Amino acid sequence: GQQLNQSPQSMFIQEGEDVSMNCTSSSIFNTWLWYKQDPGEGPVLLIALYKAGELTSNGRLTAQFGITRKDSFLNISASIPSDVGIYFCAGTGAGSYQLTFGKGTKLSVIP
Amino acid sequence: DAGITQSPRHKVTETGTPVTLRCHQTENHRYMYWYRQDPGHGLRLIHYSYGVKDTDKGEVSDGYSVSRSKTEDFLLTLESATSSQTSVYFCAISESTGRPYEQYFGPGTRLTVT
Repeated sequence: GQQLNQSPQSMFIQEGEDVSMNCTSSSIFNTWLWYKQDPGEGPVLLIALYKAGELTSNGRLTAQFGITRKDSFLNISASIPSDVGIYFCAGTGAGSYQLTFGKGTKLSVIP
Repeated sequence: DAGITQSPRHKVTETGTPVTLRCHQTENHRYMYWYRQDPGHGLRLIHYSYGVKDTDKGEVSDGYSVSRSKTEDFLLTLESATSSQTSVYFCAISESTGRPYEQYFGPGTRLTVT
């Protein structure tokens, strides 16, 4: 089946720094979504992308749908302690409503 | 927050016993999903439903069955629980029109099979 490679697997950053993470696929995706999961809770949808090249922001978060349709990027500006959690990318391939998930990027913020 | 509840939130059971997890939504969304989340594997789809009495298998459906007799409820049954089914189970919902790819997740059920 389709697989998503998400990197980095984990990252430690200082509070106030900007963060970048990405997700790549070997096949074309029609939709890209980014979720955040806090410990003991379900994933929460942050941003959804529907068109190649699309750039969408949600507060300090910005995500982009790669032009090749095989990748997506999430940036967090001026990180704060509550940004700690696991960030998942997900996407749908051609003709499918089912989401394929990456394995997540665990973000730790050092105050 | 999307109106999704899962019950129970925690359960410990013995190998070989049947277990049923419940997902309840108040959003009247047509699509419902069950996932399991395990370290190193991310979220994997078990079963999904695209309407009352309409269900289909996902990536890891062996050992699981589902039922959906009402729009708001989606049940996941482990017919004979095994230790490999120890996991955190998440229910999700999505609309059938507009933005059907945007799935909203419940709080999860942590299941331990001893």
